[in-house]
Parts: sequence; structure tokens; C-alpha cells
Amino acid sequence: NAGVTQTPKFRVLKTGQSMTLLCAQDMNHEYMYWYRQDPGMGLRLIHYSVGEGTTAKGEVPDGYNVSRLKKQNFLLGLESAAPSQTSVYFCASSGTSGMGEQYFGPGTRLTVT
Amino acid sequence: DAKTTQPTSMDCAEGRAANLPCNHSTISGNEYVYWYRQIHSQGPQYIIHGLKNNETNEMASLIITEDRKSSTLILPHATLRDTAVYYCIVRVPWTGTASKLTFGTGTRLQVTL
Repeated sequence: NAGVTQTPKFRVLKTGQSMTLLCAQDMNHEYMYWYRQDPGMGLRLIHYSVGEGTTAKGEVPDGYNVSRLKKQNFLLGLESAAPSQTSVYFCASSGTSGMGEQYFGPGTRLTVT
Repeated sequence: DAKTTQPTSMDCAEGRAANLPCNHSTISGNEYVYWYRQIHSQGPQYIIHGLKNNETNEMASLIITEDRKSSTLILPHATLRDTAVYYCIVRVPWTGTASKLTFGTGTRLQVTL
């Protein structure tokens, strides 16, 4: 199993450009999450999904959109990138069995200039 | 979710036990204690969780005080690869929507030769 994978690993954008980050998991998990991590800080939840076709806002959703068209994929979009969105983005997934432990991807390092 | 307090940083000699404390004095009866760690530039990794009994797995042991107001994560024989930021998180596993995690700033554990 690959677990949780993220593409791309690195990206540099100019202010106003758009992009989509892709998260894929092969564990048949129902729940998926997008977090961001800024230097010296813990992770903050952006959006999450409780199943295919559903999404919900986390604590810092502004400036981002998400889609979960397939159970194994969770996309995070930036329509008009801003320097404040420079961060490392982590995707995670969790199943409906167990105690909700989450499995994280390796991260995408995004720089907006 | 209950608030947690952890020391900012700790050092441990390689081969010795690393004991990472966490205070969660406002924990509710149905909240569990979870531990994750984040090795530099990687995604967080689930370590262990518990409710009130002590728990042990292949990675670590979790000791929860009888009043559940604090806990200690124990890495029995720390190695250089255990150098990471360790997060203590207190939460109800399932809220009916998703098992969201709230990360603080954690404890930076430095294992030295």
C-alpha cells in the first residue's frame, strides 16, 4: 500500500495564479482532510470530507475550495493565490473503524510570491 | 476538545527512555488522549492513544494518571530517528461528522549521542 500520496511535492506560484493539489489514498478510508502548517506552528484544518461527494469547512477555509468526486481522491484548490497561502499542506485520511487515527501524506510545499 | 499543555522542548540521550509529559486538566470523561509525532519536513505520524488505562504498542507506552488530568508518552530506548516534534491531542474519537484533530505546537524532542 502506498498509503496517502500528495502531488506535487513542491510548487511556486505568483500572486493571483491558481492551482490544485491532489491527495490520493489507497486504504479505502471514508474521511479525508486538508491541513496547512506554517513555520513554527502546529497544523490547522482547512477542509475535510466525510465521504464521496461531501465536503465541510475546517478552521481556516477562506481562499480554498475542495472536491471529493471519488472516494480515494481529495482535491484542494486555490483560485487566486496570495502570499499568505505560502505554507506546507498536508493531506490525511481516516477510516470508520478503529479510533479515528489519521494517516498523513508527505506534504506539498507551496510558495506564493 | 480539551486544551493540552506540553513543554516546548526536551533533550534525551540515545538509548535512554524519553518521557514526554502532557497536561490536560480539563479533559472530559469521553475524551481520549492521542499522541502523534512529526519528524522534520514529514507528515505527522500516529503513535498511540488511550482513555484511562495504560497502553503500549511497538512504538511507545502511554501512561495516564488516575484522575486523567495528565499523561506521559514513553519512548523506552530513544534513537536519533526519534528526534521530532511530539503532539499530545485530547479529543472524542467520533463526533458524528469526522474525527478532526486540533494540533498545538507540541514538544520538540532532541535525541543526542
